[in-house]
Amino acid sequence: DAGVTQSPTHLIKTRGQQVTLRCSPISGHKSVSWYQQVLGQGPQFIFQYYEKEERGRGNFPDRFSARQFPNYSSELNVNALLLGDSALYLCASSGILATLYNEQFFGPGTRLTVL
Amino acid sequence: GIQVEQSPPDLILQEGANSTLRCNFSDSVNNLQWFHQNPWGQLINLFYIPSGTKQNGRLSATTVATERYSLLYISSSQTTDSGVYFCAVEDTGGFKTIFGAGTRLFVKA
Repeated sequence: DAGVTQSPTHLIKTRGQQVTLRCSPISGHKSVSWYQQVLGQGPQFIFQYYEKEERGRGNFPDRFSARQFPNYSSELNVNALLLGDSALYLCASSGILATLYNEQFFGPGTRLTVL
Repeated sequence: GIQVEQSPPDLILQEGANSTLRCNFSDSVNNLQWFHQNPWGQLINLFYIPSGTKQNGRLSATTVATERYSLLYISSSQTTDSGVYFCAVEDTGGFKTIFGAGTRLFVKA
């Protein structure tokens, strides 16, 4: 079975632009989470979605938004990009049962550079 | 919110040595995972261990939830063990996962 996939692998944008990152979870998983990892730090939680609804949100500005589709894939959108948004964006999938806090499996990430 | 502290922040070992990495957390958690991040950024699952002890080859982990810590043991280290080891916990208050800052391990040949 395929693992978590993310696209694109790398992306270069300029300040003020908007970006959309994509994630496909492991087959059968219904929950997707997004993380931002700045160089030299641990990943920071952005969002968790389950069955197309937002279940958790981290301390990120409203410029960050996400959604989950009926096939459980997800998109992360970032508007009005800042230099500080340059980071590795990680997607994780988990959970075949809504009531359990399940093991998370991560994709390879999208490396975003904002110039 | 919940705080996660990992120690030591950096560790240099000679190949074949053993090591213990520690993860302390400030409140009750629903689950705990250990990951190894390779140089390309991929997070590799090591253990899903909200409590108890597990072993996988040269690696083992123990979580004592009542005392709010987890330990990752690496025995007979190899150069391929180099990388960053993260502890991540899911808090009980809502669907958030908090990562520690990581332990950066370098194993010398």
